[in-house]
Amino acid sequence: AQKVTQAQTEISVVEKEDVTLDCVYETRDTTYYLFWYKQPPSGELVFLIRRNSFDEQNEISGRYSWNFQKSTSSFNFTITASQVVDSAVYFCALSGGGDYKLSFGAGTTVTVRA
Amino acid sequence: DVKVTQSSRYLVKRTGEKVFLECVQDMDHENMFWYRQDPGLGLRLIYFSYDVKMKEKGDIPEGYSVSREKKERFSLILESASTNQTSMYLCASSPGGTVHGYTFGSGTRLTVV
Repeated sequence: AQKVTQAQTEISVVEKEDVTLDCVYETRDTTYYLFWYKQPPSGELVFLIRRNSFDEQNEISGRYSWNFQKSTSSFNFTITASQVVDSAVYFCALSGGGDYKLSFGAGTTVTVRA
Repeated sequence: DVKVTQSSRYLVKRTGEKVFLECVQDMDHENMFWYRQDPGLGLRLIYFSYDVKMKEKGDIPEGYSVSREKKERFSLILESASTNQTSMYLCASSPGGTVHGYTFGSGTRLTVV
């Protein structure tokens, strides 16, 4: 069974602060995929990134970066120099083996204050 | 612009009613999914479909059924709505072949009174 834990329920920061969202996962599959999604107040989830289990390289996309560590089963997400538009709920998700289904964490609500 | 469209943004239904939530995608995706989202619980999978006329139960299928008569349309049915089915319902689709990220609809916020 797949399990994703996002221990942080809510994070509130002031604009320009960095924010790190934690994601810990459990799976017995050797091949799996990890995802992050953003859900802004409008409600529609937006895909941010997909990583497979064989690629532990960290990734940076603009102000977003992701740190994947198999040794600790973690796939953390950092927003650098946060902006008000980053305010959203962020979900980490996992798909194991050849399964197309995603298992989602409970989500972390990020509030960025001006 | 590719899209997943959910027919209603907000819906209010009475207990015991049969409720249909419709989802249409225009990306020719093989896979379609229905999730419900509740505070503190994240997204939980209700049903999914890998092909026309195929359906499989997710983690919380009780009280729900689905229909996929055409590739682009995946309907979620609440056979007899109950107040504990008040929730945000999200439809998603993805291509077949490998594991891709989903494309989500905007969601339907259902209130059962």
